[in-house]
Amino acid sequence: GAVVSQHPSWVICKSGTSVKIECRSLDFQATTMFWYRQFPKQSLMLMATSNEGSKATYEQGVEKDKFLINHASLTLSTLTVTSAHPEDSSFYICSASRTSGGYSTDTQYFGPGTRLTVL
Amino acid sequence: GDSVTQMEGPVTLSEEAFLTINCTYTATGYPSLFWYVQYPGEGLQLLLKATKADDKGSNKGFEATYRKETTSFHLEKGSVQVSDSAVYFCALGSRLTFGEGTQLTVNP
Repeated sequence: GAVVSQHPSWVICKSGTSVKIECRSLDFQATTMFWYRQFPKQSLMLMATSNEGSKATYEQGVEKDKFLINHASLTLSTLTVTSAHPEDSSFYICSASRTSGGYSTDTQYFGPGTRLTVL
Repeated sequence: GDSVTQMEGPVTLSEEAFLTINCTYTATGYPSLFWYVQYPGEGLQLLLKATKADDKGSNKGFEATYRKETTSFHLEKGSVQVSDSAVYFCALGSRLTFGEGTQLTVNP
């Protein structure tokens, strides 16, 4: 159990367009989902924490108007990169924490990631 | 704030060698500690975790012990295999502060 999927696995888009990435917990409910960005040969940087039914909490330096996060259900969160530019090209990874007794547990389960290339 | 410092890589070993990847942390309180592994072309997978001091996490022959006195969570394996080649990340807390990652390559 504890499988997280992401779609698409890779996407290429033109500068100025918007791209939506989906993150789904397939076999468990996730009150909290997280979005990370990973640059080549570097660690993951937390972008935002997403709680079902409420606004996401963004990390310092992350533009909330550029990276729109929606967590509409206990199994789905989406990240939309608006007006994408080449510097937004990166590997975007989501994760989800199980819900137990109404609370998030501390173990995160990661999706396989989405490679975004902006031309 | 919380931080994690990992042994710099890359690390290259021969099959059946002993592996240690060092991880130290600074944090308020006593957060859970994790090791995640990222195989080539794949997402991160939880390798093991420990939730309190002196806990030992273990999985697939890997072990790490939560040492409060030295604020460390070093990853060890007695005999590595080629299939262990991956990037290993140490992390702490419920919001996951990650270390820099250590690239491990195991040669036959």
